[in-house]
Amino acid sequence: AQSVAQPEDQVNVAEGNPLTVKCTYSVSGNPYLFWYVQYPNRGLQFLLKYITGDNLVKGSYGFEAEFNKSQTSFHLKKPSALVSDSALYFCAVRGSMDSNYQLIWGAGTKLIIKP
Amino acid sequence: GAGVSQSPRYKVAKRGQDVALRCDPISGHVSLFWYQQALGQGPEFLTYFQNEAQLDKSGLPSDRFFAERPEGSVSTLKIQRTQQEDSAVYLCASSLAGSGDFTDTQYFGPGTRLTVL
Repeated sequence: AQSVAQPEDQVNVAEGNPLTVKCTYSVSGNPYLFWYVQYPNRGLQFLLKYITGDNLVKGSYGFEAEFNKSQTSFHLKKPSALVSDSALYFCAVRGSMDSNYQLIWGAGTKLIIKP
Repeated sequence: GAGVSQSPRYKVAKRGQDVALRCDPISGHVSLFWYQQALGQGPEFLTYFQNEAQLDKSGLPSDRFFAERPEGSVSTLKIQRTQQEDSAVYLCASSLAGSGDFTDTQYFGPGTRLTVL
């Protein structure tokens, strides 16, 4: 069965330090992986996606994510966190052999950046 | 350019009332999705349209939920005889490509927060 896990409900990082938000997945076929961010009372904003090719994907606002096929992971990273990065982050996945139209979403990770 | 818009942003309904939630997708986007997001949770898929055709409604929780996109642009999600468990944020997303492209990015609206009293 397809699934996405975000093992940490919350991640706390000091401003200026590197951050990592974890995501692991299980799908049929090749994975298509997405990261979105949600600010309070706002919709989801697309950050980046992995479809194929280079395992390191660069996205908006200085974020990047590393696809690791053997570990079935797609962790979100940023070299230097900003207070304004504080938000809710969602990982989503679709499999190349999925027969429906659905993205499978993780439960979200709350990222708190402390000044 | 204009993104996905949704209206109303907030809706309070008494239990048993019918509600209609509107989504205006990005112009030219073929695909349109509706999601339900409970507090502190990830979005849950409700239904999918390719132009005016509703190709997947497997996520609609009951027959009280109905969605349409009659002209292939604006979509309406209707909930009849609302119940307290319907309280959630309803998100709409659109993407440029049709259903054959599973790699396409979905762009989300701000959502409608429905509270059923």
